[in-house]
Amino acid sequence: SQQGEEDPQALSIQEGENATMNCSYKTSINNLQWYRQNSGRGLVHLILIRSNEREKHSGRLRVTLDTSKKSSSLLITASRAADTASYFCAPFYTGGFKTIFGAGTRLFVKA
Amino acid sequence: DAGVIQSPRHEVTEMGQEVTLRCKPISGHDYLFWYRQTMMRGLELLIYFNNNVPIDDSGMPEDRFSAKMPNASFSTLKIQPSEPRDSAVYFCASSFQQINQPQHFGDGTRLSIL
Repeated sequence: SQQGEEDPQALSIQEGENATMNCSYKTSINNLQWYRQNSGRGLVHLILIRSNEREKHSGRLRVTLDTSKKSSSLLITASRAADTASYFCAPFYTGGFKTIFGAGTRLFVKA
Repeated sequence: DAGVIQSPRHEVTEMGQEVTLRCKPISGHDYLFWYRQTMMRGLELLIYFNNNVPIDDSGMPEDRFSAKMPNASFSTLKIQPSEPRDSAVYFCASSFQQINQPQHFGDGTRLSIL
């Protein structure tokens, strides 16, 4: 399968702690995107990181990309109960024609 | 600007009935995607359109599924006849200009086939 694989599958932390989710992919990419899905809602785009970028920030979110290891990570700092959701990575492979969504990491932030 | 709008939000129907799901993409977006999400299979791409033209329908599970995009502001996904295994959440998404750009998702249609 060409989808990204998120790790861990599920993560439970206390409010205020940092949450780190990892994604591994198969071959060279054009870009990699992270999405969030709250229960009963559609996916929401968080960050897009291009293959020539190593790190991007957006508010409390930090995404890193290591193309040599074919991996990416999403860090949420100072987590809040409202961050409880599923998080998906979606690599777009070089020469590909569609974004492939992984199975997601379910994050639960306890108040 | 309004986001992607899907209707209905929930649909419960009996096996064998025709089901039609509707989607209005974000104005100006060039790509429209239909996905299906289940616990077992995750998020699956069924079909996508570029400028109203179907580009890849390899994810459509069977001939019972069909999708159309008669104009830039409307698309339908039809299942005929429906079966219990079609029960899932169906999402529509749209994106601007290029296939590798961020997708904007609707809130989905939760379909239950009894």
